[in-house]
Amino acid sequence: DQQVKQNSPSLSVQEGRISILNCDYTNSMFDYFLWYKKYPAEGPTFLISISSIKDKNEDGRFTVFLNKSAKHLSLHIVPSQPGDSAVYFCAATVYGSGNTGKLIFGQGTTLQVKP
Amino acid sequence: NAGVTQTPKFQVLKTGQSMTLQCAQDMNHEYMSWYRQDPGMGLRLIHYSVGAGITDQGEVPNGYNVSRSTTEDFPLRLLSAAPSQTSVYFCASSTQVFNNSPLHFGNGTRLTVT
Repeated sequence: DQQVKQNSPSLSVQEGRISILNCDYTNSMFDYFLWYKKYPAEGPTFLISISSIKDKNEDGRFTVFLNKSAKHLSLHIVPSQPGDSAVYFCAATVYGSGNTGKLIFGQGTTLQVKP
Repeated sequence: NAGVTQTPKFQVLKTGQSMTLQCAQDMNHEYMSWYRQDPGMGLRLIHYSVGAGITDQGEVPNGYNVSRSTTEDFPLRLLSAAPSQTSVYFCASSTQVFNNSPLHFGNGTRLTVT
């Protein structure tokens, strides 16, 4: 049962244009949503996050939008650069009992930015 | 600043063999976790720990054991390797996962089970 879903395995955009990566989730108890970026042969690195009580968070060229009623979030990269070519993972935090918690990831979307 | 260190980088096992994937962090993080990455499946949580002596299961714990005797180390043990455990394994740590603190990942261990 995939609680966090990225239905597009890949995306190709031209340098300078906007990249939009999408993510859907099923668990309404998720509290934070995060995006991670991964280059080949490296571990994922944190990119940007958003609290479930907000609908937008911006950091430079990266903006994350959250639509709670649709259980959907998206990552916008403007303008896209060739160095943005990587795998992008959407993730969500769910809390357990006794102050425990875990981060659940989606399948990932491979972004290619063409010069 | 080493961050999260995983060893080995690569490993080939035969079915039925056992091994331990090592993970160490030098950031004094309380929270540590293990993920596996498979094509089309993304990153799936195997086990996690919120502090020394405390561990819990993630999404895909079967076939793996963990323990947390110190804050720094969180080894992952495969008791009897199976071809289905062929994957890339990532260890990650953070101050607190429930406080939106981002995870810091190691560079992974690529495991092949024949």
